[in-house]
Amino acid sequence: GAVVSQHPSRVICKSGTSVKIECRSLDFQATTMFWYRQFPKKSLMLMATSNEGSKATYEQGVEKDKFLINHASLTLSTLTVTSAHPEDSSFYICSARSPAGELGEQYFGPGTRLTVT
Amino acid sequence: AQSVTQPDIHITVSEGASLELRCNYSYGATPYLFWYVQSPGQGLQLLLKYFSGDTLVQGIKGFEAEFKRSQSSFNLRKPSVHWSDAAEYFCAVENQGGKLIFGQGTELSVKP
Repeated sequence: GAVVSQHPSRVICKSGTSVKIECRSLDFQATTMFWYRQFPKKSLMLMATSNEGSKATYEQGVEKDKFLINHASLTLSTLTVTSAHPEDSSFYICSARSPAGELGEQYFGPGTRLTVT
Repeated sequence: AQSVTQPDIHITVSEGASLELRCNYSYGATPYLFWYVQSPGQGLQLLLKYFSGDTLVQGIKGFEAEFKRSQSSFNLRKPSVHWSDAAEYFCAVENQGGKLIFGQGTELSVKP
């Protein structure tokens, strides 16, 4: 149980276009989802916290107009990178927390590799 | 501010040898601590976690970690490393807002 999927697993897009990444909790309902960004050989940086039915909370320094997050249902959160540029190329990972799950446990998706050309 | 430090960026051990990955945290209250493993191009898998109680925590794949409050440490150990353990390991602490703060990661290489 507690499986989180991401789609797509990798995407290549041209500079200036927008890309949507989906994060789904497959076998549980996630009231809270998190979006992370990971640079090569680096740690995970929390970008935002997404709560179902409300606006996402962004970490300091993350552009909310560039990284649009929607958490429309208890099993789906989306991250849209708008007007992507090469510097947005990165590995994006989501995680989900179930209210019924063990305290503090987050379940991570497999990640999405974004390359902007 | 809360923080996690993994002093070793890269460690190489021989297959069958013991392993210890270091993790130090800075957190005012009782910490919730985690160790995750990441294989190349993959997401994170939880190895073990500490919330309270017994300070020696057993995890999956033969890993264990010991919480030492006096040293603000949560080191990960394995008595005998397998080649398949080669990966990136992340220590993390959860803050009061429920957010995970990750260390920089330790890359483990295993020599045959």
